Amino acid sequence: QVQLVQSGPEVKKPGSSVKVSCKVSGGTFRSHVITWVRQAPGQGLEWMGRIVPVFGAVTYAQKFQARVTITADEVMSTAYMELSSLTTDDTAVYYCARLKSESAALYIDYWGQGTLVTVSS
Amino acid sequence: QSVLTQPPSASETPGQRVTISCSGNSSNIGSNTVNWYQQLPGTAPKLLIYSNNQRPSGVPDRFSGSKSGTSASLVISGLQPEDEADYYCGAWDDSLNGRWVFGGGTKLTVL
Repeated sequence: QVQLVQSGPEVKKPGSSVKVSCKVSGGTFRSHVITWVRQAPGQGLEWMGRIVPVFGAVTYAQKFQARVTITADEVMSTAYMELSSLTTDDTAVYYCARLKSESAALYIDYWGQGTLVTVSS
Repeated sequence: QSVLTQPPSASETPGQRVTISCSGNSSNIGSNTVNWYQQLPGTAPKLLIYSNNQRPSGVPDRFSGSKSGTSASLVISGLQPEDEADYYCGAWDDSLNGRWVFGGGTKLTVL
């Protein structure tokens, strides 16, 4: 059973940065592909990017390419998502999740509990 | 604007059957498997269907999925009040160096 536990809620000022952590337990951390998804209030799910710890490879959604950084610490079994130059439009719940590859199938199976990031002056 | 297209809402009475559609293109649904997620208010999404039509352990067989070409469907039979939730389709997209894409979500109301 894989579990992802995220850091607590954050309140940030416009123009600042936020870093959300995601501690993964169950299985071997470096074998997990961790992805980040956000959900603005009343809106749908939006993919931000993923990291493959075993290769150190990162892929970002084009929309966030310039201001998101996803990293992983194998020793701590923890993934991080840092978003910079925050605006009020970045107010959302941020989820980490595991992206599983199985034969020809690719799917997000386990999700963290979500971290609410509020951007307000 | 979501890459995958879903109807924004659906409704049906308890015990009935409802179908939620998800439309994409050749770079996502047309070449990769489709997954469905259920999101209850205030909670994280939950995997409902993976690889087009597979149910994870614990998901009732009232939920089923299918895919044809660049479209997919989620069918919920024998609707129950607790099925009232938001439903999202999702798939890998091979364009733009690879990305995950979601539908805009369908809010299901059990009347």
